[in-house]
Amino acid sequence: EAGVAQSPRYKIIEKRQSVAFWCNPISGHATLYWYQQILGQGPKLLIQFQNNGVVDDSQLPKDRFSAERLKGVDSTLKIQPAKLEDSAVYLCASSSGTGDRETQYFGPGTRLLVL
Amino acid sequence: DAKTTQPNSMESNEEEPVHLPCNHSTISGTDYIHWYRQLPSQGPEYVIHGLTSNVNNRMASLAIAEDRKSSTLILHRATLRDAAVYYCILSYNQGGKLIFGQGTELSVKP
Repeated sequence: EAGVAQSPRYKIIEKRQSVAFWCNPISGHATLYWYQQILGQGPKLLIQFQNNGVVDDSQLPKDRFSAERLKGVDSTLKIQPAKLEDSAVYLCASSSGTGDRETQYFGPGTRLLVL
Repeated sequence: DAKTTQPNSMESNEEEPVHLPCNHSTISGTDYIHWYRQLPSQGPEYVIHGLTSNVNNRMASLAIAEDRKSSTLILHRATLRDAAVYYCILSYNQGGKLIFGQGTELSVKP
């Protein structure tokens, strides 16, 4: 079974530029998550999708971050414009449901450096 | 959200057992206890989870205290590949969300 795919793996941009990350979850997984992981910290949830609807985006900085999951499969996370403090690893995860026993499967992440 | 407390770091020798503790004194009766680990430069991966009884799988064992206020992840024979950050996470009625803390960074010496 193929895992969660993310691209690109690395990205370097200058502040005020825009950037987009792509995620392809495990086939059949209805729930998709985007996390931000700053160096030395645990991942922090940014947004959660159930199929193509948003379940929780309370931690997403909506003035600069946006995400979509068209057709309930792939997802894109965008930052526009980027700030220095957005330098982090962006992780995508998926699960088959939203129960408390569900296992989340993580992709390798996209490492973003904002200069 | 229920909180967990873990040591920042631990050391182990290769091929010896490792006991990683987690305190969760405010746990509720229906919180599941999950463990994930994150190897260097990789995304987190699931290790094990439990509710009340001890659990075993091919990766590890989870020992849950009788009052459920603490738990211990047991790696029976540490290998160099087990060097990672281990996260203990509680979940109940969070719609599947995981709230990560700082975790325990485990180093394994040959």
